Amino acid sequence: DVKVTQSSRYLVKRTGEKVFLECVQDMDHENMFWYRQDPGLGLRLIYFSYDVKMKEKGDIPEGYSVSREKKERFSLILESASTNQTSMYLCASSLSSGPLNEQYFGPGTRLTVT
Amino acid sequence: QKEVEQDPGPLSVPEGAIVSLNCTYSNSAFQYFMWYRQYSRKGPELLMYTYSSGNKEDGRFTAQVDKSSKYISLFIRDSQPSDSATYLCAMSANAGGTSYGKLTFGQGTILTVHP
Repeated sequence: DVKVTQSSRYLVKRTGEKVFLECVQDMDHENMFWYRQDPGLGLRLIYFSYDVKMKEKGDIPEGYSVSREKKERFSLILESASTNQTSMYLCASSLSSGPLNEQYFGPGTRLTVT
Repeated sequence: QKEVEQDPGPLSVPEGAIVSLNCTYSNSAFQYFMWYRQYSRKGPELLMYTYSSGNKEDGRFTAQVDKSSKYISLFIRDSQPSDSATYLCAMSANAGGTSYGKLTFGQGTILTVHP
């Protein structure tokens, strides 16, 4: 069974803090993704990575950065948290060679910035 | 205009009802069509997928794709309270390769099936 884990289920941070969200997958997947999920807006792609040290911007990268030093781990960084970054953050992974682009998701991190 | 449009609902139906969930899209390059189900406080999980046009059935669930109309549907027969979840459609233009596995998601429809 594919397992994607995220470091925290709930996180409360103050405006201006640097925030790290960690994601680990155990199935040797090449692709990893960070989304945020907001009511009425669905899943929006922030960044993705298709290999170690490789990253690509998604649809809403502003205010975020990522790091992928090891294949199994993909980190999302909020350099200076703002209240409009309060959201549910979902990490996902997928095989690059699969017949589908099926993505496996972690349970999510509910981030509140006050 | 979003590439994929999905009515966010919420949709509330009695147990046993037939549920119809729909998405429209604008990118004619989409070939793989998926439905994810997301229970409260969980990540989405793949429920069903279809390639190109046609129907696919899995138990009480049927996925339909009409590429000529750029319209996909998920039907749930004999709906159960355990079907209460958010349903997200997702699409991709090709599998693997230079797409790097990117999916385009709809906004998600919140479904509640009450006993």
